[in-house]
Amino acid sequence: QVHLQQWGTGLLKPSETLSLKCAGSRGSFSPHSWSWIRQPPGKGLEWIGENTQGGHTSHNPSLRSRVITSIDTTGNQFSLTLTSVTAADTALYFCARRMQYYFDWWGQGTPVTVSS
Amino acid sequence: QFVLTQPPSVSGAPGQRVTISCTGSGSNIGTNFDVHWYQQIPGTVPKLLIYGNTNRPSGVPDRFSGSKSGTSASLAITGLQAEDEADYYCQSYVYSLSGSVFGGGTKLTVL
Repeated sequence: QVHLQQWGTGLLKPSETLSLKCAGSRGSFSPHSWSWIRQPPGKGLEWIGENTQGGHTSHNPSLRSRVITSIDTTGNQFSLTLTSVTAADTALYFCARRMQYYFDWWGQGTPVTVSS
Repeated sequence: QFVLTQPPSVSGAPGQRVTISCTGSGSNIGTNFDVHWYQQIPGTVPKLLIYGNTNRPSGVPDRFSGSKSGTSASLAITGLQAEDEADYYCQSYVYSLSGSVFGGGTKLTVL
């Protein structure tokens, strides 16, 4: 059983920066890859980006200019930073562990609302 | 553009069999990457249902099965139950993206 705990800012104004973190239970982080996925209200899932244990980072091209993701293996934490948010970034944000090419464990989700 | 296309909705009566399709472009499903399926009951976290085209994680009933052929994949649910009412998403890895893409999701209604 892998337990993922998420936390971060839930209410933002346009142009502010979103910051979320995800921590995994002991022994769950290495050697896996970690992704952020979001779901706007009433809509489907959108992959945001990921970090691998080997140091590789990749992001959705539609968000690439605004996204930073990083992994702290010593602290078993994974983080997401999204700059210059707009109302279109309002969504439920999930962290997820990638096993091979699928996501086997998900965080509980963090609702983020962008509103002036 | 990397796209996985699913029907917006499907429905079936209890006990029936339904299938949900997932059609992709050659840059994802067609490049030998597997298709995976998730079930999301409203208000809950997505749950891995099928991985590697056909494999069920421990605890997933064998009423759920997956298949893949060429650039299309399918999720089949037999013996439909009320508790199966949920949104279903397919997902695949895009090599050129070094990341994943999800289908738009299919809402299953049990009549």
